[in-house]
Amino acid sequence: GAVVSQHPSRVICKSGTSVKIECRSLDFQATTMFWYRQFPKQSLMLMATSNEGSKATYEQGVEKDKFLINHASLTLSTLTVTSAHPEDSSFYICSASPGDRTEAFFGQGTRLTVV
Amino acid sequence: DAKTTQPPSMDCAEGRAANLPCNHSTISGNEYVYWYRQIHSQGPQYIIHGLKNNETNEMASLIITEDRKSSTLILPHATLRDTAVYYCIVRIAGGTSYGKLTFGQGTILTVHP
Repeated sequence: GAVVSQHPSRVICKSGTSVKIECRSLDFQATTMFWYRQFPKQSLMLMATSNEGSKATYEQGVEKDKFLINHASLTLSTLTVTSAHPEDSSFYICSASPGDRTEAFFGQGTRLTVV
Repeated sequence: DAKTTQPPSMDCAEGRAANLPCNHSTISGNEYVYWYRQIHSQGPQYIIHGLKNNETNEMASLIITEDRKSSTLILPHATLRDTAVYYCIVRIAGGTSYGKLTFGQGTILTVHP
């Protein structure tokens, strides 16, 4: 149990367009999910905490108007990269944890390339 | 959460044990040691965690020193599929969801045929 799934796994978009990435907890409910970003040859950096039914909280330096997060149900959080630019090209990963587990479960990641 | 220090890279021969060290000298009494790994272009995967006793599961063993200032992750019989970046993370139990983690640079483990 405890599966987190992301979609799409890979996306290419044109500069200036918006891209939506979905993160789903398949077999548990998650009131909180987390979004990370990973640039090539770097470690994962936490971007924001997605809270079901309320506003997301963003880490310092992450633009909330550029990275829109919606957590409308207990099994789905979405990250929308608005007006994407080439520097937004990165590997985006979400995580969540069931209430009865003490470890994190991660999605397979989404490779975003902005051209 | 306490800071951890890991060697940037390690090599291991296939079939041999891989021993990955981690220093966490500022660890607090209520902080656990977690290990995750990330295979190239995938999301991280949980391996094991412990507080002060040694732990073993189907993937690995975790040895924590008596003073808890360091630990070693042991992959008993490394395979090529164990080639990955291994992250040692220290965090408190409870509080914020366990999905929230602070990643360091980790150790790149390369398993050779």
